[in-house]
Amino acid sequence: AQTVTQSQPEMSVQEAETVTLSCTYDTSENNYYLFWYKQPPSRQMILVIRQEAYKQQNATENRFSVNFQKAAKSFSLKISDSQLGDTAMYFCAFSAYNFNKFYFGSGTKLNVKP
Amino acid sequence: DTGVSQDPRHKITKRGQNVTFRCDPISEHNRLYWYRQTLGQGPEFLTYFQNEAQLEKSRLLSDRFSAERPKGSFSTLEIQRTEQGDSAMYLCASSRDPGQGRNEQYFGPGTRLTVT
Repeated sequence: AQTVTQSQPEMSVQEAETVTLSCTYDTSENNYYLFWYKQPPSRQMILVIRQEAYKQQNATENRFSVNFQKAAKSFSLKISDSQLGDTAMYFCAFSAYNFNKFYFGSGTKLNVKP
Repeated sequence: DTGVSQDPRHKITKRGQNVTFRCDPISEHNRLYWYRQTLGQGPEFLTYFQNEAQLEKSRLLSDRFSAERPKGSFSTLEIQRTEQGDSAMYLCASSRDPGQGRNEQYFGPGTRLTVT
């Protein structure tokens, strides 16, 4: 069975600073995908970034980047130049290659302070 | 692209009653997923459809839960004989097939169920 663990229930960061959210996972699959989703207060969940396990290069999307350590089964999200609009719950998620099922962590609540 | 919609947004019901939720995916998406999210937790996978076929079901989906996607478009999730433990946000998401380019999931706003 797959599990996704987020050990930081809540984090705070000052506007314009950098913050890193942690995620570890466990799987016996060799081909899989990892995702970070953002869920703003009372708003819909949206995809922030995704990583394909067979790609060694870490994914980046503008101010968002990941540090994917396959051997350690670690997948952290770095947010640079934090903005007030980044305040949200962030969920790490796993899917096998066929995208038939997704597993989510318990989330990290990020508060960006002005 | 009008997004994924869910109806109703809120539902309050008494224990023992049946409830049905509807999800309308993005029109060209043939994959549809249902999740349950309780307060302070991440979404838990319930079931997945490819077109009208239900291809994956979680053990969380007890015999009181049933989902359908009769014509491969909208989907319904029914909970029979509701229990207080069913109180949660029920999320729907849709996506393209992996072979059709970017297949990220688009989530709906959810249906919040309260069982009294």
